[in-house]
Order: sequence, then C-alpha cells, then structure tokens
Amino acid sequence: GQQLNQSPQSMFIQEGEDVSMNCTSSSIFNTWLWYKQDPGEGPVLLIALYKAGELTSNGRLTAQFGITRKDSFLNISASIPSDVGIYFCAGQPADRGSTLGRLYFGRGTQLTVWP
Amino acid sequence: NAGVTQTPKFQVLKTGQSMTLQCAQDMNHNSMYWYRQDPGMGLRLIYYSASEGTTDKGEVPNGYNVSRLNKREFSLRLESAAPSQTSVYFCASRFLTGYNSPLHFGNGTRLTVT
Repeated sequence: GQQLNQSPQSMFIQEGEDVSMNCTSSSIFNTWLWYKQDPGEGPVLLIALYKAGELTSNGRLTAQFGITRKDSFLNISASIPSDVGIYFCAGQPADRGSTLGRLYFGRGTQLTVWP
Repeated sequence: NAGVTQTPKFQVLKTGQSMTLQCAQDMNHNSMYWYRQDPGMGLRLIYYSASEGTTDKGEVPNGYNVSRLNKREFSLRLESAAPSQTSVYFCASRFLTGYNSPLHFGNGTRLTVT
C-alpha cells in the first residue's frame, strides 16, 4: 500500500520558536493536505495544496507542495501554546485508477509548546 | 451547519457484542469514509464510499461492515467486537472524488471493547 513518511514524530519547543515538519511519499501525489487535531476532536484542515511548487500561507502557517510531487512541508512561525496538537499530512496519489477517492495519511507529528 | 456528525461519542462494549456507529453529513458530499486512530498509527482507512451506492475496503476492513444508507449517511458495524477494535473512530466526507477536495472530519467515537 501507499506509504507516507511524516517527520518528526514529536517535537518539544519553546513558545516563540519556529517549527518545521515534512512528509514524503514513495510515489507522485497531486494533492497535499495538512491537518491539525486537538485533543478529543477530529482533524481540522489547515492548508490544502494542489499544484507542484505551490506555497500557501494561513496566518503563521506556511506549507509547500514539493516540485518532485513526492513531498510537502509545513512551517509554523512564532509558535504559541495553542499550537499544541497532532499535525497530519495527507495526500492524494496521482494514479487515481487504483485509489480513486482515497487519501493517505502520515502518522502525525505531536507538537508540544512550552510557555 | 453541523458538518459531519457522529454518534455515539463514547461506547463501551463487551467482547462479542455488536454495534453500529452512525455518521451523517449535511454538506451534500459524494464520498464518505471511516477511519480508526490508534496511538502511533495515525489514521487508517477502514472502508469508504466514493459515491452513493458504492463501498470499498480500505487498509483495515476485517471485522467491520458498512452501509451507505443514502447520500447523507454512512454507518459502520462491528458484528462481534474484539478488544483489538478498541480505538477512536472517525467519519469523514468530501465533496468530490476529484483531487481538489479535502476531507472534513467528525469529532470521533471513542470505543472500548473489554
């Protein structure tokens, strides 16, 4: 099956620091999505990327769709305590014949922010 | 606008019992999905329904069945619950099976099987 490698698995940072996490795939994707999950809730979409090389921001968050179409990264600038949570990448393979309708998820990055 | 609604929020079952997890979306989405989330494993797809009238297995379908009752509702059934099915279950939906349509998630059902 499809594999998405998300790293790092966890991060412990101080408030105000910048954060970077990434996701790589073994095959070409045509969509990359980044989600955040707060404790006890479902994942919420942060940023969606649909084009190779695309760089998109959402407040302090910036994500990029890698030009090889096999990777994506998410940056958080000037972290604050409410950034705590699990961040997931997800992708839609370009080969939709065998995987129509499916998104694949990374295993998540657990972010802890110390005040 | 409620989005994706899952019921129940919590459930405790004994081994061998059966139950159905309910999911409904009010966004007129075509596709619906069931995921389970376990510590360190991320989100794993159990079953999905690309459109009304169709269902397909995901990565971990064993021990589960699904029904796409209509365009709004997609239920997940455990016929004979096992402790290995203790997990948090998420339902999700998206507007199109095309590439430019992100998933929207419900808030989950926390299931414990003793």
